Amino acid sequence: DAKTTQPTSMDCAEGRAANLPCNHSTISGNEYVYWYRQIHSQGPQYIIHGLKNNETNEMASLIITEDRKSSTLILPHATLRDTAVYYCIVRAGRIQGAQKLVFGQGTRLTINP
Amino acid sequence: DSGVTQTPKHLITATGQRVTLRCSPRSGDLSVYWYQQSLDQGLQFLIQYYNGEERAKGNILERFSAQQFPDLHSELNLSSLELGDSALYFCASSGRGGTGPYEQYFGPGTRLTVT
Repeated sequence: DAKTTQPTSMDCAEGRAANLPCNHSTISGNEYVYWYRQIHSQGPQYIIHGLKNNETNEMASLIITEDRKSSTLILPHATLRDTAVYYCIVRAGRIQGAQKLVFGQGTRLTINP
Repeated sequence: DSGVTQTPKHLITATGQRVTLRCSPRSGDLSVYWYQQSLDQGLQFLIQYYNGEERAKGNILERFSAQQFPDLHSELNLSSLELGDSALYFCASSGRGGTGPYEQYFGPGTRLTVT
């Protein structure tokens, strides 16, 4: 699985959009970009994933560059409950039965009132 | 609520003891994964089972073992416990069939404290 690079920490004001970058320059053609977050010591929470097109769901948007070497997770209207560690993970998606997630250090996002 | 349940929530035991952690996956999910999160190691993959069979192994110690039962719930057995085994243990599940991709849904975890 491709290695990812994320900033160690970020701050964002409540109500503003939080943009979390991730570099994955060694990503290969069949690898997806996944985002998870972990609020305090809770279980990691799946947010969104994408292959090459931009994706949006009720939680966030994922913007993937055309060369797929980087991506940005966007939380459009951050709230205090979005304070968490955010993990960007790159891995092959369509393999049933062999899909461990490799977590890096992630980005600690703090939403300030 | 992810739909994945784990018991117990907290466990305190002494060194040298053996414990069993239990995980029930989301309804219909065939894969179960175990992860360990300690302060100095971050989230580490331990082992995966798919429909009752071991599918992938990570940094799992020989003192640890797991299994997945016919009803798809899974148990992680930790024996000869050491202080360093104190950690959060998460279970995740995925794979309701189809062609993927397969996101994983995590349980709330079991906090193990070895004294």
